[in-house]
Amino acid sequence: ETGVTQTPRHLVMGMTNKKSLKCEQHLGHNAMYWYKQSAKKPLELMFVYSLEERVENNSVPSRFSPECPNSSHLFLHLHTLQPEDSALYLCASSRREGTEAFFGQGTRLTVV
Amino acid sequence: SQQGEEDPQALSIQEGENATMNCSYKTSINNLQWYRQNSGRGLVHLILIRSNEREKHSGRLRVTLDTSKKSSSLLITASRAADTASYFCATGDNYGQNFVFGPGTRLSVLP
Repeated sequence: ETGVTQTPRHLVMGMTNKKSLKCEQHLGHNAMYWYKQSAKKPLELMFVYSLEERVENNSVPSRFSPECPNSSHLFLHLHTLQPEDSALYLCASSRREGTEAFFGQGTRLTVV
Repeated sequence: SQQGEEDPQALSIQEGENATMNCSYKTSINNLQWYRQNSGRGLVHLILIRSNEREKHSGRLRVTLDTSKKSSSLLITASRAADTASYFCATGDNYGQNFVFGPGTRLSVLP
């Protein structure tokens, strides 16, 4: 256990659905991250939050919408996804940006 | 943002042998980190080496950093079947920016 919990672990959704991924950490970390990992592709950094403010958005499509209501929680809201969005979505946190990151187990998302 | 690039992409060795993986990067860094990922799961932090360090050890792991060549290596000694995983490097820059990962090295340790 890394101290970072992601729910759900698996999610199957249709292209017209709206769902949310949740990430929670109680490590006292100030930075939280969303990564996307597709088959045969490097980990793609999607969003970074530092002290609850978004500091980086790597040109992610607007169908992915992050939310960080407090330093312990991070959400990724999903709507009108495409089949190519099927991937493992990983959340991570760190004491501050650029230091050792602790990862959750990921949410395996399948878009049908 | 910078990115680490691991080499080789895949490595297959016998149990008990040593495994060496390399990472190259492009810009100035504050630190470099190595992570391990078992299939379909989250990444686990292995070791962090700062830009003013040249070598670091943690159990069977040995990491070196050559900032002049912008490269790092991860050595796993006396490998075990349980070391089978993908290994990634990630770099943190001097501005406290987030780090990004390379494509990883897939290590298979055969019993």
